[in-house]
Amino acid sequence: KAGVTQTPRYLIKTRGQQVTLSCSPISGHRSVSWYQQTPGQGLQFLFEYFSETQRNKGNFPGRFSGRQFSNSRSEMNVSTLELGDSALYLCASGSTGRFGYTFGSGTRLTVV
Amino acid sequence: DAKTTQPNSMESNEEEPVHLPCNHSTISGTDYIHWYRQLPSQGPEYVIHGLTSNVNNRMASLAIAEDRKSSTLILHRATLRDAAVYYCILRGGADGLTFGKGTHLIIQP
Repeated sequence: KAGVTQTPRYLIKTRGQQVTLSCSPISGHRSVSWYQQTPGQGLQFLFEYFSETQRNKGNFPGRFSGRQFSNSRSEMNVSTLELGDSALYLCASGSTGRFGYTFGSGTRLTVV
Repeated sequence: DAKTTQPNSMESNEEEPVHLPCNHSTISGTDYIHWYRQLPSQGPEYVIHGLTSNVNNRMASLAIAEDRKSSTLILHRATLRDAAVYYCILRGGADGLTFGKGTHLIIQP
């Protein structure tokens, strides 16, 4: 079956702009979570959605937001981009709470 | 989420078994032990998970101590493709994963 698809793969944005990243989970998976990975902070949890509802949120400012659609596809948005937002953004999908997630290859965001 | 402690790095030879330790002394009774790995330039990959009993799958085995305060991920015959960062994570419910620094596994040919 198809894996988790994230688009775009690479993105370059200017400080102050906003960006929207997309994630299509594995068919049948209702849980989608987002992570930020940087060399300094490692992998950090952003938020998780299940059946269009945000269930959990990590310790990130309100500039980071997300949503999930009825087909389980998810988007995350970052407004007023800062240089420190440059990172690999990873999406993961899962079918039930306690079992493994499948990650996408990520979107590499560079803010200049 | 309860914390885990892993060595920063480990080195092993190709075709030999690898034992990756993880300490989780504050684990609660409902926490599952999950292992993920991340190969260079890829997203993390689920490896295995368990609650109390040892677990085996096609990728690895998970040995869980009787008191559940530690666990060991076992790669039975390491290959160069197993070189990655391995993360041990405790998961108590339907929430996000809290990644630590993980163990950087180096495989020597």
